[in-house]
Amino acid sequence: KQEVTQIPAALSVPEGENLVLNCSFTDSAIYNLQWFRQDPGKGLTSLLLIQSSQREQTSGRLNASLDKSSGRSTLYIAASQPGDSATYLCAVQNGVNKLVFGAGTILRVKS
Amino acid sequence: IAGITQAPTSQILAAGRRMTLRCTQDMRHNAMYWYRQDLGLGLRLIHYSNTAGTTGKGEVPDGYSVSRANTDDFPLTLASAVPSQTSVYFCASSKTQGTVNTQYFGPGTRLTVL
Repeated sequence: KQEVTQIPAALSVPEGENLVLNCSFTDSAIYNLQWFRQDPGKGLTSLLLIQSSQREQTSGRLNASLDKSSGRSTLYIAASQPGDSATYLCAVQNGVNKLVFGAGTILRVKS
Repeated sequence: IAGITQAPTSQILAAGRRMTLRCTQDMRHNAMYWYRQDLGLGLRLIHYSNTAGTTGKGEVPDGYSVSRANTDDFPLTLASAVPSQTSVYFCASSKTQGTVNTQYFGPGTRLTVL
């Protein structure tokens, strides 16, 4: 059974700091890995999707890497801003249309 | 309608009552999903549907049922609610393209069972 773990559970940083969120998974036979953002009381918004054959994806100040063999992914956020405050969730796709989520990292960027 | 809508936004329900959570998407996606989100546990898949007319069980299906009569709608029914079903429920949809499955989420329904 696939298990996804995210560390840390919560993170508080000053504005402008670069930061890294970590995600690990137990079964490396994945189709892809995705990072989502969730604002309080809202649904999830997809940020980045890395296919199993890829090593990284970038979107603006966000960069996600994937090391499938070691079962790890990182989400790097450059020059953090208060608007980045949210919960970040990692999910792996094991089978067709099946995502397994981590519990998330709650990020607070202080101004 | 744009994207995915869910209704109601929130609900307080007495234990033992029947409840249907509604979900509608206008993106003509073939696949739809129901998740529950509990503190510290992330999102867990309840049921899914790969195409209209078919459904499948996810990780935590007990106490829930779904139907997929058409492409757009995917209601989730709790036949006899119990307090452990207190949670935030999210509906999602995706257009499967090979192994790529970007899911789009609704705003959620916050359900409290007393």
